[in-house]
Amino acid sequence: EAGVAQSPRYKIIEKRQSVAFWCNPISGHATLYWYQQILGQGPKLLIQFQNNGVVDDSQLPKDRFSAERLKGVDSTLKIQPAKLEDSAVYLCASSLVASGVQNIQYFGAGTRLSVL
Amino acid sequence: GENVEQHPSTLSVQEGDSAVIKCTYSDSASNYFPWYKQELGKRPQLIIDIRSNVGEKKDQRIAVTLNKTAKHFSLHITETQPEDSAVYFCAATATDSWGKLQFGAGTQVVVTP
Repeated sequence: EAGVAQSPRYKIIEKRQSVAFWCNPISGHATLYWYQQILGQGPKLLIQFQNNGVVDDSQLPKDRFSAERLKGVDSTLKIQPAKLEDSAVYLCASSLVASGVQNIQYFGAGTRLSVL
Repeated sequence: GENVEQHPSTLSVQEGDSAVIKCTYSDSASNYFPWYKQELGKRPQLIIDIRSNVGEKKDQRIAVTLNKTAKHFSLHITETQPEDSAVYFCAATATDSWGKLQFGAGTQVVVTP
């Protein structure tokens, strides 16, 4: 099956600029996750969608980060304005369901963001 | 919330030797424990997982053990090969919640020929 698709793969911006990332989950996967992975650390969940509704955004810096999943398929994550500490890899993942035995998460290749 | 600690942060082994990575978790409700392998610049890939109704699971050269009482689980790689070199992440979640994975900080495994 096709995997989770993300674009762009790399992005370099200056601080205070805006940036957007796109994710296309595996077909039929109801749950979509955005993670932030800072160099040398494990992925940290930013936001989780179940279809087109937000399930968990407790660790999303809402003053600058926003995300949407229109029509319950593709998703975009936006940062506006970016700060130096936002430099990280942004990973998108999807799973068939959120809970139970079919909640295995499959990851995309990520977008590496550098904020200068 | 859940907190996962992973040790060691780096692990160097000779080809053919075994590697063991250990993780501890804090939330007794956690019942699903996946392990991901991430090669440099690539996506994390699930290599093995274990649910709390079993104590051990094996898949060829890799195995995972779970001790629910002590709240720790471990990844064992036998007969290591250079292609096993990567960063390995453990994670934990309670599947009756919304499946939020809490990841460990990762272990850089280097297998030298």
